[in-house]
Amino acid sequence: AIRMTQSPSSLSASTGDRVTITCRASQGISSYLAWYQQKPGKAPKLLIYAASTLQSGVPSRFSGSGSGTDFTLTISCLQSEDFATYYCQQYYSYPREYTFGQGTKLEIK
Amino acid sequence: QVQLQESGPGLVKPSETLSLTCAVSGYSISSGYYWGWIRQPPGKGLEWIGSIYHSGSTYYNPSLKSRVTISVDTSKNQFSLKLSSVTAADTAVYYCARAPTRYFTHWGQGTLVTVSS
Repeated sequence: AIRMTQSPSSLSASTGDRVTITCRASQGISSYLAWYQQKPGKAPKLLIYAASTLQSGVPSRFSGSGSGTDFTLTISCLQSEDFATYYCQQYYSYPREYTFGQGTKLEIK
Repeated sequence: QVQLQESGPGLVKPSETLSLTCAVSGYSISSGYYWGWIRQPPGKGLEWIGSIYHSGSTYYNPSLKSRVTISVDTSKNQFSLKLSSVTAADTAVYYCARAPTRYFTHWGQGTLVTVSS
């Protein structure tokens, strides 16, 4: 099974900051990676797929990069609505296997 | 606009079978795509349970495979999850979701299922 490891597990930042979250796969997954945002009590929301493609309607301050085993999610200028938990997900072995990272909680400093 | 809605008992006794249904509106399941179940224990991360193709082909998380059954009812435009022999570790919010390509684009709001006697 492919394991996904996110870092950090939690992060404190201020509005206007630039933040980066990292996701590492236990084996190469090409660009088969998605990022989701989840707010308390809500379902996850797709932000990015194919490692770097922004889902329709997602603000351009979100960006993704990487391929193989190492990936990043960057938020260029934090807004108040961005404080949430972020998950990466690999779908390299779709549809037989999906794996999520453990999540990164982004909190207000 | 496609919408998904989970339904089912919010409380299940240990050793019994958890049964949930996901009703889909705004899109006909028989038209295609993969449909999945994902769960999230309180305060923890997301775990993929399994997926079903509109034709009925199923794929399960190996860690749950022996206890999971996912089925589709195209006449009712819904798909279902059954998880047998539940324990307290199966207490979670259960989400249904649609994967039109390889990732989940649309999710239900989630339903909390508690396993307790």
